[in-house]
Amino acid sequence: DQQVKQNSPSLSVQEGRISILNCDYTNSMFDYFLWYKKYPAEGPTFLISISSIKDKNEDGRFTVFLNKSAKHLSLHIVPSQPGDSAVYFCAAFKNANSKLTFGKGITLSVRP
Amino acid sequence: NAGVMQNPRHLVRRRGQEARLRCSPMKGHSHVYWYRQLPEEGLKFMVYLQKENIIDESGMPKERFSAEFPKEGPSILRIQQVVRGDSAAYFCASSPFGTGYGYTFGSGTRLTVV
Repeated sequence: DQQVKQNSPSLSVQEGRISILNCDYTNSMFDYFLWYKKYPAEGPTFLISISSIKDKNEDGRFTVFLNKSAKHLSLHIVPSQPGDSAVYFCAAFKNANSKLTFGKGITLSVRP
Repeated sequence: NAGVMQNPRHLVRRRGQEARLRCSPMKGHSHVYWYRQLPEEGLKFMVYLQKENIIDESGMPKERFSAEFPKEGPSILRIQQVVRGDSAAYFCASSPFGTGYGYTFGSGTRLTVV
């Protein structure tokens, strides 16, 4: 039962362009959604989050959009940089407990 | 302030042996979480612990797996009688809160069962 889905395994974009990473979820009880970035042989690091009562959160080059009616969120990175090349995980949790539910991740490659 | 420390980074065990994975949380963090990442998969929750207490073990396999977070020392994830399907990356995270916010992940232990 995959409650958080990242259906595209990979994305390749040109440096300077926008990267759009998508995530869908099935559990309408999630209270928060988060994006993590992971480099090989390292643990995930927190990138940005959004509350379920918001529809947008922005932090520098990173913006997360939430469409609750479609149960869909997306991470926009603009402009994309080669150092952004990594695996990006979408995750969610309910306030009632603290465990994160992760998607399978998407590998972003930013071409110089 | 050191981050979350996991050791060993790599662990090779033969089928039937025991694997012990250690996790030292960040200073001041009293909440510890273990996640497992199988090949081509996302991270799956295994267990949530506080000092001397298991809070949520709903993601732990029913047999062979156990976890502890003693009053002194690191948290330990123990896998008895390992099988090939246990080969995975095991990540520990710690948090100062008991919510999904504020996680800091360690670099993981990659377990290979041969």
